[in-house]
Amino acid sequence: DADVTQTPRNRITKTGKRIMLECSQTKGHDRMYWYRQDPGLGLRLIYYSFDVKDINKGEISDGYSVSRQAQAKFSLSLESAIPNQTALYFCATSEAGEAFFGQGTRLTVV
Amino acid sequence: GENVEQHPSTLSVQEGDSAVIKCTYSDSASNYFPWYKQELGKRPQLIIDIRSNVGEKKDQRIAVTLNKTAKHFSLHITETQPEDSAVYFCAARIDTGGFKTIFGAGTRLFVKA
Repeated sequence: DADVTQTPRNRITKTGKRIMLECSQTKGHDRMYWYRQDPGLGLRLIYYSFDVKDINKGEISDGYSVSRQAQAKFSLSLESAIPNQTALYFCATSEAGEAFFGQGTRLTVV
Repeated sequence: GENVEQHPSTLSVQEGDSAVIKCTYSDSASNYFPWYKQELGKRPQLIIDIRSNVGEKKDQRIAVTLNKTAKHFSLHITETQPEDSAVYFCAARIDTGGFKTIFGAGTRLFVKA
């Protein structure tokens, strides 16, 4: 199922580096989300976008920024990566109900 | 603020037994409650959902109940099988002009053969 595609799938980066995670979708959904998954903390919302001109902060937006380049593309940036941003990141889209997730990006900040 | 609490964090059952996972939510404006299953190394996928105008929904071995007054909803899995072993997430969706979904912390279910 390649409806929601994240790149890269895995990334190791150094503290202080800027990194961008990309997400593209072919489902035609207006709503896109970035979540972070940590053991014992579940999925926490970082940013979400209801359309190209709409960006909203989620629960844990500090240290992150996003760009909605088109309806189908929503990228997440870490301006200056730090070790506690090591996590599994999921992009998701939704319309009226179910959320559809990408495969995830495993990011390690050393 | 918006919050979804999920219990237990870990659940171990014998094959054939039932498993129950409970969630509570804080925002009374929540109107849609999906449950996701995440197998090891894979993305979360929807297994069942319930809307606020319904009290119970069943799909084969899986059922979900909703108590809007108590802001409480539960996932019930009967006749558990080893392939049910996974992490389960509850969620509550709030309609704020768009849809924002808040997830619980997850329950790791182990089904012992």
